[in-house]
Amino acid sequence: AQSVTQLGSHVSVSEGALVLLRCNYSSSVPPYLFWYVQYPNQGLQLLLKYTSAATLVKGINGFEAEFKKSETSFHLTKPSAHMSDAAEYFCAVRAKAAGNKLTFGGGTRVLVKP
Amino acid sequence: EPEVTQTPSHQVTQMGQEVILRCVPISNHLYFYWYRQILGQKVEFLVSFYNNEISEKSEIFDDQFSVERPDGSNFTLKIRSTKLEDSAMYFCASSVEGSETQYFGPGTRLLVL
Repeated sequence: AQSVTQLGSHVSVSEGALVLLRCNYSSSVPPYLFWYVQYPNQGLQLLLKYTSAATLVKGINGFEAEFKKSETSFHLTKPSAHMSDAAEYFCAVRAKAAGNKLTFGGGTRVLVKP
Repeated sequence: EPEVTQTPSHQVTQMGQEVILRCVPISNHLYFYWYRQILGQKVEFLVSFYNNEISEKSEIFDDQFSVERPDGSNFTLKIRSTKLEDSAMYFCASSVEGSETQYFGPGTRLLVL
């Protein structure tokens, strides 16, 4: 079985400040890991993914995430927040060779203050 | 860039009515999925579909739910007799064979009264 925990359902950052969204996972087999973003009234858009290549993964819009096996974490960061980053962010896990379903965390809503 | 599309964007129905949610996956994709998100809760997997059959389903996906690929482009989710607790945003997703990435549609917001 697999599960995902996102610490903090809401995060508020100032424009230009670091964005850090936390994700911890549990999986009985090596996982694929994903971050999706959902802008208001839109669907889920893939930000980045980890598939067992480089542990530091770069995504769209200046976001990156680092896979740390020892910590079972896949935290998402962006050095400098922009107003357009206001959205909800979802971490998801998929176990390799164990079906295709994604298991999502509860989501973190990011508010960017001017 | 190809996208997954879903219709309708919003649907309101009475409890006990049947609803059909429609999705057009990306054209060369072979794996199709439905997920739902009840307001304020996590996005939950419902079902995956490959080669004209269900490949995996969750415990949520009971006999009230069915999926179908009626032609070469559409992928539908039917709820036979809707309940109040079926009110949610329903997302369709698709992926190409050999890829772990699922591409999501914009969702259908279903409200059961």
